[in-house]
Amino acid sequence: EVQLVESGGGLVQPGGSLRLSCAASGFTFSSYSMNWVRQAPGKGLEWVSYISSSSSLIYYADSVKGRFTISRDNAKNSLYLQMNSLRDEDTAVYYCARDLGDSYGVRWDYWGQGTLVTVSS
Amino acid sequence: QTVVTQPPSASGTPGQRVTISCTGSSSNIGSKYVYWYQQLPGTAPKLLIYRNNQRPSGVPDRFSGSKSGTSASLAISGLRSEDEADYYCAAWDDSLSGVVFGGGTKLTVL
Repeated sequence: EVQLVESGGGLVQPGGSLRLSCAASGFTFSSYSMNWVRQAPGKGLEWVSYISSSSSLIYYADSVKGRFTISRDNAKNSLYLQMNSLRDEDTAVYYCARDLGDSYGVRWDYWGQGTLVTVSS
Repeated sequence: QTVVTQPPSASGTPGQRVTISCTGSSSNIGSKYVYWYQQLPGTAPKLLIYRNNQRPSGVPDRFSGSKSGTSASLAISGLRSEDEADYYCAAWDDSLSGVVFGGGTKLTVL
């Protein structure tokens, strides 16, 4: 059974840092690209970042570029999101999602349950 | 600014057919596939339509997608109470080099 389990969320002060993890199981993690998507309370979905299976290709949303870093460890079946210089507007539930690899597509078939990040003083 | 636009709400009665629109531009919908996601309250999004009009296995054929130019639509026929959810369209945007989501449409089954 495919499972994606996010962790690492919590309360952090503005300007602080947090590292999210997404533990994958039930599939060959190293064969799939992955994404981070977030959803602010009561708001819509916002794509955050993409990483290819070998980490050779990485994209970021403009809203997080220069502050967030996506990475993965295929040996540990894990995806990460290092978040620095956090702002109030980064408060959201963060989801990891498996990418089925449509070229310039958004075909994500499995999502985690999400982890809540709250940025507040 | 909003890159892809959806109506904030839609509604219908059981058995009806409803459509949800998604309007973008030449850098996203106009040149890329459109995808639709359903998000039930308190849950993660679920892939509903991929590549404009394809259904993943397990998605009922009551759900259908279409695209014309820089706009796309999701149609739900035979509306059921369990279809009450938020629906999002998404596409890659060449200008932004990233994924853009519509703002989401909250579907209410009356």
